[in-house]
Amino acid sequence: AQKVTQAQTEISVVEKEDVTLDCVYETRDTTYYLFWYKQPPSGELVFLIRRNSFDEQNEISGRYSWNFQKSTSSFNFTITASQVVDSAVYFCALSEARTGTASKLTFGTGTRLQVTL
Amino acid sequence: DGGITQSPKYLFRKEGQNVTLSCEQNLNHDAMYWYRQDPGQGLRLIYYSQIVNDFQKGDIAEGYSVSREKKESFPLTVTSAQKNPTAFYLCASSTSGQYTGELFFGEGSRLTVL
Repeated sequence: AQKVTQAQTEISVVEKEDVTLDCVYETRDTTYYLFWYKQPPSGELVFLIRRNSFDEQNEISGRYSWNFQKSTSSFNFTITASQVVDSAVYFCALSEARTGTASKLTFGTGTRLQVTL
Repeated sequence: DGGITQSPKYLFRKEGQNVTLSCEQNLNHDAMYWYRQDPGQGLRLIYYSQIVNDFQKGDIAEGYSVSREKKESFPLTVTSAQKNPTAFYLCASSTSGQYTGELFFGEGSRLTVL
């Protein structure tokens, strides 16, 4: 069975601080995908990134960066110079690589990030 | 604008009543999903549908039912058999073709059973 663990329930930082959200996963699949989604107060989840299990290259997108380490089964997310607009709940998710049309994701319990002035 | 519309946003019902949550998408996606979100438990998959007139149970399907008569619509009924129906319900869709895993979500429906 697949499992995603986000041990940090809630994090509070002051604007401009860097913050890292941790994600640890478990799967028996050799090929899989990892995701991060953001849930702002409005409720809908917004896709941030997808990484497949064969691509351990770290990725940077503006103030966001992701560190994928297969050896430790981790896919951590760092926000540099955090802003108030980054306040949200962040979910890490995992899915098996599959053909067909359905994307069945296993989500972690989420980390609530509060950025204050 | 393309997207997913869920209604109602807030819903209050008495115990023992069935409730239907609406989900409509105009993204031309084949696959649609219903997730339930509870505090501290993340999102759990209730049902999903890969194509019209077909749907499969997710991890917590007991007490719920769905239909998929049209590509654009995937309503969820919370029946009286669902023991703890109070929750935040999220509908999502995804494109077919090459697997991406990217889900597009609605803004959710918050159901409170009194």
